[in-house]
Amino acid sequence: DSGVTQTPKHLITATGQRVTLRCSPRSGDLSVYWYQQSLDQGLQFLIQYYNGEERAKGNILERFSAQQFPDLHSELNLSSLELGDSALYFCASSVDGDPGNQPQHFGDGTRLSIL
Amino acid sequence: AQSVAQPEDQVNVAEGNPLTVKCTYSVSGNPYLFWYVQYPNRGLQFLLKYITGDNLVKGSYGFEAEFNKSQTSFHLKKPSALVSDSALYFCAVRDGYNAGNMLTFGGGTRLMVKP
Repeated sequence: DSGVTQTPKHLITATGQRVTLRCSPRSGDLSVYWYQQSLDQGLQFLIQYYNGEERAKGNILERFSAQQFPDLHSELNLSSLELGDSALYFCASSVDGDPGNQPQHFGDGTRLSIL
Repeated sequence: AQSVAQPEDQVNVAEGNPLTVKCTYSVSGNPYLFWYVQYPNRGLQFLLKYITGDNLVKGSYGFEAEFNKSQTSFHLKKPSALVSDSALYFCAVRDGYNAGNMLTFGGGTRLMVKP
């Protein structure tokens, strides 16, 4: 058990809808990272938050947004959903803001299916 | 720019035999290198990392990796494979000179260990 909790585990919705994915980091970790894993794109970094502030941005679409709350949990909001957004979305956490020095601890992901 | 390549989509090995999963990287500065493993329906688990120091890095579950700067490689190895090692393995890299860079993951290699 990594200590990172993601909810829900599965999400099925329709095109054009909006969903919110939730992540609770491991106790003591200040950084939260969001990734998208799909068969054609592989594992893509979306965005990082450190202690409530956006730290780095990757290949995140404008339709997607995220935030980290004072209790350090994070939410990833996906709107105007398209079929191509179907993927596994992972949250990871680490102790500090530098991804190079500490391993990231991954949750088990949210599987998003767009019908 | 940083990139990482895992040239084999799948590696097949018999239980008890040594295994190697290949990874090559490209960064402009010093590389920070990681191996992660993903079991079905689970998030990625950290195996080992190379930041600096000894070129042979030992990690979890008997895995080790050898950093080779001249060949820009960081191959994952294990002397004796177990059926339970069957999983998806990801190599990741980050340019150590650029604190803003995130981890870039390879496309993954599926390891199949047969009894």
